[in-house]
Amino acid sequence: KQEVTQIPAALSVPEGENLVLNCSFTDSAIYNLQWFRQDPGKGLTSLLLIQSSQREQTSGRLNASLDKSSGRSTLYIAASQPGDSATYLCAVEGAQKLVFGQGTRLTINP
Amino acid sequence: EAQVTQNPRYLITVTGKKLTVTCSQNMNHEYMSWYRQDPGLGLRQIYYSMNVEVTDKGDVPEGYKVSRKEKRNFPLILESPSPNQTSLYFCASSLGTLSSYEQYFGPGTRLTVT
Repeated sequence: KQEVTQIPAALSVPEGENLVLNCSFTDSAIYNLQWFRQDPGKGLTSLLLIQSSQREQTSGRLNASLDKSSGRSTLYIAASQPGDSATYLCAVEGAQKLVFGQGTRLTINP
Repeated sequence: EAQVTQNPRYLITVTGKKLTVTCSQNMNHEYMSWYRQDPGLGLRQIYYSMNVEVTDKGDVPEGYKVSRKEKRNFPLILESPSPNQTSLYFCASSLGTLSSYEQYFGPGTRLTVT
């Protein structure tokens, strides 16, 4: 059974810092990995999708990497801003569903 | 605007009173699914549908029903809601699965069963 773990559960950093969020998964037989953002009381917004054959994807200040063999992904956020404050979820796709991690609650302090 | 809509957004009901949460997408997506989100348990899949008239159970299907009579709609039915179904529910859709299609999520429905 696929299990997804995100560390840390919460992170608070000052504005302007670069930061890394971690995601690990137990079964490397995945089709893709997605990173989502969830704001309080809101739905999920897809940030980046990495296909199983890819090693990284970039969108603006965000860069996500994928190492299937070790079961790990990282989300790198450059030059963090207060508007980046949210919960970040990673999810791996396999067997007709996404399996989610518990998320990292990120707070960027002005 | 491409989107997934859910209604209602908030619902308080009593045990045993049947309810339906609607989900609709305007992107002609084949795949749709329902998740529930609970503190400490994260998001878990309830049901999914690969296409019209094709549905299957996810990880936590007990107490729920779904139907997919039209491609755009995928309602979630609680025939006899119980307090343990109090949760935040999300509908999602994508062009397909087992590939590289991005999942789009609705805004969520917060359900309280008393």
